[in-house]
Amino acid sequence: AQKVTQAQTEISVVEKEDVTLDCVYETRDTTYYLFWYKQPPSGELVFLIRRNSFDEQNEISGRYSWNFQKSTSSFNFTITASQVVDSAVYFCALRGSNQGGKLIFGQGTELSVKP
Amino acid sequence: DAGVIQSPRHEVTEMGQEVTLRCKPISGHDYLFWYRQTMMRGLELLIYFNNNVPIDDSGMPEDRFSAKMPNASFSTLKIQPSEPRDSAVYFCASSLGLIAYEQYFGPGTRLTVT
Repeated sequence: AQKVTQAQTEISVVEKEDVTLDCVYETRDTTYYLFWYKQPPSGELVFLIRRNSFDEQNEISGRYSWNFQKSTSSFNFTITASQVVDSAVYFCALRGSNQGGKLIFGQGTELSVKP
Repeated sequence: DAGVIQSPRHEVTEMGQEVTLRCKPISGHDYLFWYRQTMMRGLELLIYFNNNVPIDDSGMPEDRFSAKMPNASFSTLKIQPSEPRDSAVYFCASSLGLIAYEQYFGPGTRLTVT
């Protein structure tokens, strides 16, 4: 079975703080893909990043960075110098190559960045 | 390029009425997905299509739900008859491929059944 756990239901920080959103996954597939999506208050789901199971390089995109560690089955997301516009619900998702294409979402972490 | 387009954005209907949600995927995307989002169950995949053909509808809650994709640029999700527990946000998404590809989501349709 596949599963994604985002243990942090809500996080509140003050602007300019760094914040890390945790994501732990479970899968028996050797090939799989991990994703992060952002859902701002307006409601749409915005794709942020895709990572495959064979690429453990960390990735940085502006203030966003992702740390993929197969040894701990984690794919954590860090926002550096957070801004109010980062306030949203963030979802981690998993798709295994032998799971018929289903994208399994975590329950989401609601991030609130206060000025 | 336009993203995934959904209509209506909001729908309020009475129990027992038929509801039809519409989706236009991104041009050139071969896969189309319908999801439902609720507080209790999070994001759930209802059904997905490949080249207009339904591939997996195991997430469709019951026979009251049906989905069609008559062509590459249009899909509908129908609920007949609707019930209050169907109240949710329904998302349509599309992607170029299945396993290794990200999905792009539409803005969603917020359905309220009274």
